[in-house]
Amino acid sequence: GNSVTQMEGPVTLSEEAFLTINCTYTATGYPSLFWYVQYPGEGLQLLLKATKADDKGSNKGFEATYRKETTSFHLEKGSVQVSDSAVYFCALSVGNTGNQFYFGTGTSLTVIP
Amino acid sequence: DTGVSQDPRHKITKRGQNVTFRCDPISEHNRLYWYRQTLGQGPEFLTYFQNEAQLEKSRLLSDRFSAERPKGSFSTLEIQRTEQGDSAMYLCASSLSGAGLNYGYTFGSGTRLTVV
Repeated sequence: GNSVTQMEGPVTLSEEAFLTINCTYTATGYPSLFWYVQYPGEGLQLLLKATKADDKGSNKGFEATYRKETTSFHLEKGSVQVSDSAVYFCALSVGNTGNQFYFGTGTSLTVIP
Repeated sequence: DTGVSQDPRHKITKRGQNVTFRCDPISEHNRLYWYRQTLGQGPEFLTYFQNEAQLEKSRLLSDRFSAERPKGSFSTLEIQRTEQGDSAMYLCASSLSGAGLNYGYTFGSGTRLTVV
C-alpha cells in the first residue's frame, strides 16, 4: 500500500542549528512527494514538493531530495529560525490526478533563541 | 479570495448528538476534500468531490458520516450519533482538478470536534 514514515518528535533546536527530519515512504505506484507545514492555529501549507526521482524541492531555505533508491525524502535546513517552529508533515500522492495524500504522523519542531 | 474557510472552528457536543460542519473552498477550485486528523497523527483522507459529485470515499467514512456539495461550491460534513472516537480535527481542502499533483491542496484551518 501507500504510506509514509516520519521521524518521531518533538525536535528542539537552538536558533541557527542544522535541521534534518527523516521521511521514508512506500508506494504502489510512482509517487510525488511533499512536505507540508502547520503553524500553530493555522491550516497545513505546502512547503515544497518533488515529482520525480532526484528532483530537489526547495522553499524558504528548506530542501528535500527525492531518493528513489532509498525511498526517502528527508527535509533539511541549514540554519533554523524561531519562526520555523511548527509541525512538519511528509506526504505522498500517487497517480496523475493526486486524488488524495498519504501523510506521515508529523514532526513537531521548536526552535529556541 | 481568503482561502478555504471552515465553520465552526471548534465544536463540543455530547455523545449521540448530530453535528454538521461547513467548508467554503477557494471559489475557482472544483475539487473539495475532507480529511480527519486525530491527535498525534497525520491527516487521513475521508472523501472528495469534483464539482457536486462525490467521487471517492474512504473506508474511514462510516455510515454515520455523510458529506454533500449540492451546488459544487460549499460542502457540509455531517456526523450522526457522535461517538467519543469521532473527536478529531476535520480538515477541508480544495484544488483545481489535476492540479493537486503539482501544487498540492489549499487547506482550511479545520474544525476541532470534541465529543464528551
